[in-house]
Amino acid sequence: DIQMTQSPSSLSASVGDRVTITCRASQGIRNDLGWYQQKPGKAPKRLIYAASSLQSGVPSRFSGSGSGTEFTLTISSLQPEDFATYYCLQHNSYPRTFGQGTKLEIK
Amino acid sequence: EVQVVESGGGLVQPGGSLRLSCAASGFSFSGYGMNWVRQAPGKGLEWISYITYSGSTKYYGDSVKGRFTISRDNAKNSLYLQMNSLRAEDTAVYYCARHEWFDTWGQGTLVTVSS
Repeated sequence: DIQMTQSPSSLSASVGDRVTITCRASQGIRNDLGWYQQKPGKAPKRLIYAASSLQSGVPSRFSGSGSGTEFTLTISSLQPEDFATYYCLQHNSYPRTFGQGTKLEIK
Repeated sequence: EVQVVESGGGLVQPGGSLRLSCAASGFSFSGYGMNWVRQAPGKGLEWISYITYSGSTKYYGDSVKGRFTISRDNAKNSLYLQMNSLRAEDTAVYYCARHEWFDTWGQGTLVTVSS
């Protein structure tokens, strides 16, 4: 099974900050990775697919990069609505595996 | 609008069974593989099963293999999850998600396994 190690597990930041979240895969997954945002009581929402492609309708302050084993999600200027939990997901092989999540909180 | 809506959750005793449904609309259901994902209270996301567009191939996570069965009815635009031999640790919100790339998610249905 491919392990997805996501860091940090929590992050405290302020509106306007630039934030980066990282996922490392235990083996190469090409660019078969998505990033998801989840707010309390809500379903996950896809932000990024194919590691770096922005989902339609998602603000351009979100960006993804990486390939192989190392991936990042960057929020260029945090907005109040961005405080949520973020997950990466690999869909390169079965079983599909998620990162542990990063809870982004207001400082 | 592309939409998937789960139903069928509820309270069930340990060892019991439950069948979840996921109704799809706004897209050609028969052309997409589908997933089930769950989230235990206060925990992260766990993928549990995938079925190809035709239903010919199915995959399961180790935690549910042999107890859960994924199926679909393309004529009814519906996805199912038959859950047997339920355990307390199966308590979670269950989501269906479209495609190998998980591009669309439902709102989830809560399954509580408790005596």
